[in-house]
Amino acid sequence: DTEVTQTPKHLVMGMTNKKSLKCEQHMGHRAMYWYKQKAKKPPELMFVYSYEKLSINESVPSRFSPECPNSSLLNLHLHALQPEDSALYLCASSQETSGGTTDTQYFGPGTRLTVL
Amino acid sequence: GDSVTQMEGPVTLSEEAFLTINCTYTATGYPSLFWYVQYPGEGLQLLLKATKADDKGSNKGFEATYRKETTSFHLEKGSVQVSDSAVYFCALRFINNAGNMLTFGGGTRLMVKP
Repeated sequence: DTEVTQTPKHLVMGMTNKKSLKCEQHMGHRAMYWYKQKAKKPPELMFVYSYEKLSINESVPSRFSPECPNSSLLNLHLHALQPEDSALYLCASSQETSGGTTDTQYFGPGTRLTVL
Repeated sequence: GDSVTQMEGPVTLSEEAFLTINCTYTATGYPSLFWYVQYPGEGLQLLLKATKADDKGSNKGFEATYRKETTSFHLEKGSVQVSDSAVYFCALRFINNAGNMLTFGGGTRLMVKP
């Protein structure tokens, strides 16, 4: 089973709202990732968690706040977003981040976010 | 830095036609290479991968061979179906201080007509 689940599937929020995106995997993976994907573009890396610790923040604005409560869960807290933050937000997981030859990133179906 | 270049789309084919989507890469060392597929309104699905030179990845009738001499990983399928219509991303995995990361090509949209 290589399933990564994400909720909600769609989210519409105003610029003053606070919302959260959730990602879950039960593959025993120890690395989890958040990506942002704009229309007709490849995914762009936002954050990486390795063994529940934040290891990469790709200069993401503070209105995006990641959280990894345990090895199976990854959240992305959203506050005071801008309309240009509207995008598909993808979560991925992999066994680890050390680069072993078996290490493959598996993606969830994404959350389609619209900021009004 | 490491990079991936894909042919620009859209690629429009009739059902049962032969498909090639070109992918070339620039990298130090020997990265692992991947093809991901994204169907409309969905996330990315791993299609196939290859971890060393001359490896051939295959899945669902798609194939790609890791060619070190030409730094290429072209995706092929002998007979496409309407259900193959999607965006295809070539990617390489590189290693930095933080761990192993993916860098993606720009994506190629495939449209298959009945």
